[in-house]
Amino acid sequence: AQTVTQSQPEMSVQEAETVTLSCTYDTSENNYYLFWYKQPPSRQMILVIRQEAYKQQNATENRFSVNFQKAAKSFSLKISDSQLGDTAMYFCAFMNPISSGSARQLTFGSGTQLTVLP
Amino acid sequence: KAGVTQTPRYLIKTRGQQVTLSCSPISGHRSVSWYQQTPGQGLQFLFEYFSETQRNKGNFPGRFSGRQFSNSRSEMNVSTLELGDSALYLCASSSSGLNTGELFFGEGSRLTVL
Repeated sequence: AQTVTQSQPEMSVQEAETVTLSCTYDTSENNYYLFWYKQPPSRQMILVIRQEAYKQQNATENRFSVNFQKAAKSFSLKISDSQLGDTAMYFCAFMNPISSGSARQLTFGSGTQLTVLP
Repeated sequence: KAGVTQTPRYLIKTRGQQVTLSCSPISGHRSVSWYQQTPGQGLQFLFEYFSETQRNKGNFPGRFSGRQFSNSRSEMNVSTLELGDSALYLCASSSSGLNTGELFFGEGSRLTVL
């Protein structure tokens, strides 16, 4: 079974600064998906960024980027130019390889509560 | 395009009762999955449905069940409620394509068991 570990329960960052959230995972699979989801106080889970394990290039979405280290099974999220609206719980998640008949199931880490300070 | 819609948003039940939660996926999405979120256990997978068939199930007792209709809408049912069932229940939908594993989540149904 896959496990996802987020070792930072809480973090804070000053507005406009950069912060990195850590995530490690354990799997015997070679191809899989990794995600960072954000859950603001309004509760709706929103996808921040995704990474396919077969891609060596790190994913980037505007101010959000990842550092994917496959051999180390590490998947950290970097948020640049932090904004007050980035305040949320951030979850790292793993999904098994997808085939035409496979279930879509996410294994989540325990989350990191990020607070952006004005 | 409308997002994932969950009803009701909030509900209060007492021990021993049963509850049914509803989820309408994004139009065109045929996969619907359910997750339970609690402060102690975090986010845990309940089950996933695709084309009215349960494809996968998490480690929850048989009191937790679900179904999916031909229009892809899904319901989950919890019978004989226990205090520990108090949680935020999240529904997520996904396309059946192979090019993405992204799940789109609803706002959740907050269940309180007294």
